Amino acid sequence: DTEVTQTPKHLVMGMTNKKSLKCEQHMGHRAMYWYKQKAKKPPELMFVYSYEKLSINESVPSRFSPECPNSSLLNLHLHALQPEDSALYLCASSQVVARGETQYFGPGTRLLVL
Amino acid sequence: AQKVTQAQTEISVVEKEDVTLDCVYETRDTTYYLFWYKQPPSGELVFLIRRNSFDEQNEISGRYSWNFQKSTSSFNFTITASQVVDSAVYFCALSEALRDDKIIFGKGTRLHILP
Repeated sequence: DTEVTQTPKHLVMGMTNKKSLKCEQHMGHRAMYWYKQKAKKPPELMFVYSYEKLSINESVPSRFSPECPNSSLLNLHLHALQPEDSALYLCASSQVVARGETQYFGPGTRLLVL
Repeated sequence: AQKVTQAQTEISVVEKEDVTLDCVYETRDTTYYLFWYKQPPSGELVFLIRRNSFDEQNEISGRYSWNFQKSTSSFNFTITASQVVDSAVYFCALSEALRDDKIIFGKGTRLHILP
């Protein structure tokens, strides 16, 4: 089973709201990722978690705050977002962080910031 | 310079035609990995194939086939007898030693299969 689930599927929020995106995998993977994808662009890496520890932050603004409560769950906390943060947010997982590891993606959360 | 180049931004073909999506990559590593992902309108990136740099055998999976040629740094993807359900954006991607944690995506090719 190569399934990564994400909730919610759609989210509309105001610039003063606080919301969270959730991601879950039950494949026993120890690496999890957040990506941001704007329309007609490839996904852009935001964060990498390896064994539940943040290993990479791709210079993402602090209004995005990731959290990995356990090996199966990954959250992305959102606060004081800007309209330009509207995008598809994709979660992915892989067995470990290593060259060549296949990343399996979830269906994404479509975020609209008003 | 782009590490993964998908020169075809958008392609339209009529159903049942064959179509090839091009991918050219650039790396100095001798060990690297190449991927293809499909992204239908629903948004999920669906993994299609992974190929390592030491395996140049062509791969066939049903109507899908991949042609890996190190001599031209290309990893092209062909869909035979295309179907409307093949309509999607297809991304070619590279994993190399410089960033173990990062998959470098091409800009994608949007494929329209017309009924």
